[in-house]
Amino acid sequence: EDKVVQSPLSLVVHEGDTVTLNCSYEVTNFRSLLWYKQEKKAPTFLFMLTSSGIEKKSGRLSSILDKKELSSILNITATQTGDSAIYLCAVLNSGNTPLVFGKGTRLSVIA
Amino acid sequence: EAQVTQNPRYLITVTGKKLTVTCSQNMNHEYMSWYRQDPGLGLRQIYYSMNVEVTDKGDVPEGYKVSRKEKRNFPLILESPSPNQTSLYFCATGQGGLGREQYFGPGTRLTVT
Repeated sequence: EDKVVQSPLSLVVHEGDTVTLNCSYEVTNFRSLLWYKQEKKAPTFLFMLTSSGIEKKSGRLSSILDKKELSSILNITATQTGDSAIYLCAVLNSGNTPLVFGKGTRLSVIA
Repeated sequence: EAQVTQNPRYLITVTGKKLTVTCSQNMNHEYMSWYRQDPGLGLRQIYYSMNVEVTDKGDVPEGYKVSRKEKRNFPLILESPSPNQTSLYFCATGQGGLGREQYFGPGTRLTVT
């Protein structure tokens, strides 16, 4: 059965800290891995990583895909209180199968 | 402005009373899907549609129906809602391919008593 596991489940840091969120997966015929940020509403898309695009960066956020280790990390540098959210990882298998979502990491950034 | 809208945003209803949650997108996306989000279970896909008149079951389709008569709309129908369908529902759309769920609607919080 396809599986996506995120760690840690929850994390509290101070403003200015750097955090690393982890996502590991077990799926057949991997196609892509997606990261989302969910605040008090709908998930918003952050990055998509594929075999041909294993590293993405946007401002203070960056993500790397390790196809050998079947995992990905999401890095946030110089965290701000506005980064507080649940971060979701999802993996797309082959064909028309649904995205497989992890349970998320809840990040709290305190001033 | 790229937009996914859902209606209603909040709904409290009683067991057995048919309801429809609408989803509409203005991005001409081919792919649309419905998710429910429950504490401890995360996001689970209910149904998805690759294009007009093409729909398929996700992970948890029981008790739900969908239709895709037009590209922009993808309503979710609960013919006879039950309390275990109390949840937060999201519609999602995308161009398809490797990153299908790129835009999520604002969510519909449904309570079935």
